Amino acid sequence: DTGVSQDPRHKITKRGQNVTFRCDPISEHNRLYWYRQTLGQGPEFLTYFQNEAQLEKSRLLSDRFSAERPKGSFSTLEIQRTEQGDSAMYLCASSTYATNEKLFFGSGTQLSVL
Amino acid sequence: GIQVEQSPPDLILQEGANSTLRCNFSDSVNNLQWFHQNPWGQLINLFYIPSGTKQNGRLSATTVATERYSLLYISSSQTTDSGVYFCAVELSGSARQLTFGSGTQLTVLP
Repeated sequence: DTGVSQDPRHKITKRGQNVTFRCDPISEHNRLYWYRQTLGQGPEFLTYFQNEAQLEKSRLLSDRFSAERPKGSFSTLEIQRTEQGDSAMYLCASSTYATNEKLFFGSGTQLSVL
Repeated sequence: GIQVEQSPPDLILQEGANSTLRCNFSDSVNNLQWFHQNPWGQLINLFYIPSGTKQNGRLSATTVATERYSLLYISSSQTTDSGVYFCAVELSGSARQLTFGSGTQLTVLP
């Protein structure tokens, strides 16, 4: 069990640039989630996949955000035309029915938009 | 949407002390989980506990779903217990979307 892996750990970008983050879930987990966390707050749900299907998206997720999980394994989260308000920790988690859908989180990608 | 309130917001303890953290939620839930976020930012799942009581070493948790609250007990605290403890709930009928509280910041002093 290698855990949930996220890449990169840190990303600094200029406003207006596009960024993409990658998440590799625990291999036997069919559900994958993206959350966002800002300083002093709990994580906020962004979106959720079951296998390759994106089943739920938060109203927080603007049109500039897109997520994919093309083969039901790793996932990518892309932010287009980044804004300073996008600066946050982006967390990926995975789960499976076998463990009661307990969420296991990766270490996150810290995004700073200058 | 569902409201999740955690108390106290901050807690400072001497090593060896016991503590109780509380999570109140405003609606019926079918999933409740407790997490510990360590000082390096890693979120660790402590319990899946939509109802009843569970224990894991020095930690235990109780959820009374009918009264819409959950408690996390930490006994004989250690400095490594420091960090933020989050309660997260999934509203009944809401597909796989956990709503997190704002957390309890725990500091254990040596």
